[in-house]
This record gives sequence, C-alpha cells and structure tokens, in this order.
Amino acid sequence: QVQLQESGPGLVKPSGTLSLTCAVSGGSISSSNWWSWVRQPPGKGLEWIGEMYHSGSINYNPSLKSRVTISVDKSKNQFSLNVSSVTAADTAVYYCARISYYYGSGIAFRAFDIWGQGTMVTVSS
Amino acid sequence: EVVLTQSPGTLSLSPGERATLSCRASQSVSSSYLAWYQQKPGQAPRLLIYGVSNRATGIPDRFSGSGSGTDFTLTISRLEPEDFAVYYCQQYGNSPWTFGQGTKVEIK
Repeated sequence: QVQLQESGPGLVKPSGTLSLTCAVSGGSISSSNWWSWVRQPPGKGLEWIGEMYHSGSINYNPSLKSRVTISVDKSKNQFSLNVSSVTAADTAVYYCARISYYYGSGIAFRAFDIWGQGTMVTVSS
Repeated sequence: EVVLTQSPGTLSLSPGERATLSCRASQSVSSSYLAWYQQKPGQAPRLLIYGVSNRATGIPDRFSGSGSGTDFTLTISRLEPEDFAVYYCQQYGNSPWTFGQGTKVEIK
C-alpha cells in the first residue's frame, strides 16, 4: 500500500523560500505514475501546483511557475517542492499526491488517487 | 484556464435523502477528463470518481457521476452519515488542472 508523507518547516518568513519533501513508501517513485503537489489555503479550495515524472518531465501551474521548482530524489524515493519569494498568500496546507492512470474505452483517465496527510505552512514574520 | 463552478455552495439534507451536486466548466472538458473528490475536515481529499462516471476502488455504488462537455453531476443516492463532507470536481483535460470551489453537504 503506497503512502505519502510530507515534511518541512511549518513557518516561513515573507520573501523566503518554502521547501517541502514528500516521502513515498510502499512503492517506487520510478513507477508509472506522476507525482504532484496541491495546496489549500485555510477555508478555501484546492490549487494544483505542479507535477513530475521520474524521468524528469515536469509541468507547473503557470500562475506559480516563476516561483516553483519540483525535483525528485530517486535514491531516497522522494520528491520535493520549493516555492520562492513567498508571501502571506502562500499560507496553505500543502499536499503531495500520486497521479494514477485508469484505462477504459480507449482513453487513459488520470486522477489523484493517493494523497499525503498534508502539512500546514504559514508565511509570517 | 478552465474554470469549474460548483453549485450549490451548500446542500442541507437529511440522512437517506438524495444529493445532486453540479459542476459546470467554462469550456468543454476534453475526453471526459473529470473527477470528483470528497474531503472531510482535517483530512486530505479522497478520490471518488474518475473519467466522469467511473467509481474509484472501494467507493460505494450510492455514488455516481454523469455528464459531458461542460455540465457534470455527482449524485449520492441515499446519504449516509459519513457522506457529509465537501465535494470537489476537478478537470485534467486542459492544463493547468483545476478544481471547483467545492460543495458542502451538511446535515439538515
């Protein structure tokens, strides 16, 4: 059973860099899955940040692309998120999630099927 | 960017009643790439439906999804106490992948 666990500082100063890691257990990060980051500001909805494949392919949300970096460490079976120049608007629960493919009717559907428990990051001085 | 608008914002129902949740997209969602998630307070979202109408593993058959193009529906045929939560639709047909703002199903 694949499990994801986020870790990182819960408090980041404005203009600093938010750094989080997602450890993958019970499976390999080099499997046929994409791996993603999603965030949720307090009391609000979900926002997709970006995703990566173990080969090095990465997609970012254009709204965050200039400040976000997603990377993988296959030796540790984990992937990471960096968000630079943070402001209070980046305060949120950050989730890592696995994206799996489901096949039917000649279509490869994809969905976030496994999520970490989430980690709250507050941007404040 | 595809904007997903969910309605109603809040649905007040009693256990045993039928819940109908709507998700409308600002443009056609290609290849039926639409999913639904359930989120309870303090928990991560849980995948319910992928590809508009396919239940994820372990999801009870009281949950069903339908729709096409720009209009999608999640139906819970008979609400169980554990179904009271927030529900999000999500599209992955056009990047960036986007979520609706959520519908809260609360106990009346």
